[in-house]
Amino acid sequence: SQELEQSPQSLIVQEGKNLTINCTSSKTLYGLYWYKQKYGEGLIFLMMLQKGGEEKSHEKITAKLDEKKQQSSLHITASQPSHAGIYLCGARRPASGSARQLTFGSGTQLTVLP
Amino acid sequence: NAGVTQTPKFRILKIGQSMTLQCTQDMNHNYMYWYRQDPGMGLKLIYYSVGAGITDKGEVPNGYNVSRSTTEDFPLRLELAAPSQTSVYFCASSSGIVNSPLHFGNGTRLTVT
Repeated sequence: SQELEQSPQSLIVQEGKNLTINCTSSKTLYGLYWYKQKYGEGLIFLMMLQKGGEEKSHEKITAKLDEKKQQSSLHITASQPSHAGIYLCGARRPASGSARQLTFGSGTQLTVLP
Repeated sequence: NAGVTQTPKFRILKIGQSMTLQCTQDMNHNYMYWYRQDPGMGLKLIYYSVGAGITDKGEVPNGYNVSRSTTEDFPLRLELAAPSQTSVYFCASSSGIVNSPLHFGNGTRLTVT
């Protein structure tokens, strides 16, 4: 099983609808990063959450971190075709001895129908 | 702003051939990484470097080699390409400051037939 489980694996929504993507870790989270990827392109950093209960927003995208549940959720309000792509969560491993690398979930493919 | 630049964007190799994937960054980042992305499997770390002259293995290093002679460049070498190495390869860099994000290149799509 994956260290980071994302759900759902894919999502198709009508433009204007709200949606939520979840990322659950099997290990303690020291930092949770959300990235967006468009086909044929690299990963674009959206936001990073560190503390339990922390919530951050970027335009119409809001991410929250539930430290106790070792889970993060990404919520998009009033989705637009420009939101389409693959959303990946990444977790930072403990600072001591690490090179700050991230472990990633398998991604959620989002399609927004106009 | 160039950021992280990868070349080539696409490549087709025959089994047993070798090639080098190039990666360069202009952000003066000490930390650099190579990941591969397979469908439905997320990104797996191949190798990483915390500074010039220092490299270390990640999760899936077999069949690959890296070098870090300068801060800017972190090439990935494939020796004796195999079909299992068909994947999309991403190079990334970071400042190494705690909580700083990784910055990714646009990837190299490699097919081995």
